[in-house]
Amino acid sequence: DAKTTQPPSMDCAEGRAANLPCNHSTISGNEYVYWYRQIHSQGPQYIIHGLKNNETNEMASLIITEDRKSSTLILPHATLRDTAVYYCIVRVPLRTGANNLFFGTGTRLTVIP
Amino acid sequence: DVKVTQSSRYLVKRTGEKVFLECVQDMDHENMFWYRQDPGLGLRLIYFSYDVKMKEKGDIPEGYSVSREKKERFSLILESASTNQTSMYLCASSSVAGTDYQETQYFGPGTRLLVL
Repeated sequence: DAKTTQPPSMDCAEGRAANLPCNHSTISGNEYVYWYRQIHSQGPQYIIHGLKNNETNEMASLIITEDRKSSTLILPHATLRDTAVYYCIVRVPLRTGANNLFFGTGTRLTVIP
Repeated sequence: DVKVTQSSRYLVKRTGEKVFLECVQDMDHENMFWYRQDPGLGLRLIYFSYDVKMKEKGDIPEGYSVSREKKERFSLILESASTNQTSMYLCASSSVAGTDYQETQYFGPGTRLLVL
């Protein structure tokens, strides 16, 4: 029972915006959407998270639809170093303040020179 | 900058050996986690700890134990390594912030363990 659905792969030209979609139709009302990425053979790197408003930080922007059933991660000017697997995550609570992360299979983004 | 370090990047052990994987975080985080990552299976939680000496089982605790004697350090122990424990092991830590419980987990670089 997939908690999130992402396309398996995407290409993006260097310098262009990369838009990575995610469906999370079963998300509960107070659950945050998190995005991580994993560059080959390294640990996952936190990118951004949001609840219902759009969010932006130094790495990316996150657009969440009004019904919260889907979101899009935007890397505004993709570089070769952004080539990685990107995971959209909905968490399952373990106890107050701790959650289990379900990474799924993610989207393999390849930035092309 | 959050820093989570793991004792080894690569480890080769023999079946039946006792294996210790160590994780250290420098951000005074309350929570620490051990996951394993296998192709096609995503991340699976082995154990987590929410305080010193406190631990709870995750989804796949069998064959593993953990120890948290100090807040900054969380150890994963394979009591008797088996070939099906060959995997990438990832440690993470997080803090409970404010009242929103926006718990963000920060990961170490991972340990790739091969059990022969």
